[in-house]
Amino acid sequence: KNEVEQSPQNLTAQEGEFITINCSYSVGISALHWLQQHPGGGIVSLFMLSSGKKKHGRLIATINIQEKHSSLHITASHPRDSAVYICAVRLGGNQFYFGTGTSLTVIP
Amino acid sequence: DVKVTQSSRYLVKRTGEKVFLECVQDMDHENMFWYRQDPGLGLRLIYFSYDVKMKEKGDIPEGYSVSREKKERFSLILESASTNQTSMYLCASIPGGAIHQPQHFGDGTRLSIL
Repeated sequence: KNEVEQSPQNLTAQEGEFITINCSYSVGISALHWLQQHPGGGIVSLFMLSSGKKKHGRLIATINIQEKHSSLHITASHPRDSAVYICAVRLGGNQFYFGTGTSLTVIP
Repeated sequence: DVKVTQSSRYLVKRTGEKVFLECVQDMDHENMFWYRQDPGLGLRLIYFSYDVKMKEKGDIPEGYSVSREKKERFSLILESASTNQTSMYLCASIPGGAIHQPQHFGDGTRLSIL
């Protein structure tokens, strides 16, 4: 049983499309993170959420604590957005659970 | 900016070898983590350290050990490498007591055991 489920696993979009990646979790959390991993491996943190909504450029992340659900949206997608997007939740303390990732390919 | 540096991006070793993966962070973080990442499985915690010489087992510690002699350096050791340890290994760090801060990751080491 995975504590964090992401959908879809794979996503292909045309440049300019609006993209949504979903994350559901089954445990009580102190925070939820959206991470981006480009080919080659390095992971960077995009957002950390404990409530509401955050926006950074073309990226928007929302969380509904009651429903245990978060979404990552990308507006006006671009080929450079192609990456694996990972949802991670932090329990109290230093325990993290990670989703298996959504592989996004944006075609010019 | 926090920098987490892993000593190798790619590494090829032979079965039975003792393998050392090194990770160094430059922001005085108390907590450091070693994960492995395999297709379809996401990141899985191998070991975690919350202070110098302190460590806790993660979800998959078998076949691995760790060393934290200095605060900035966290080493992962494969005592006798096996082919099922071929994987991507990622190191991360986070300040102590920082509930609302993200983990900072290194670039990863892609390890192949032949």
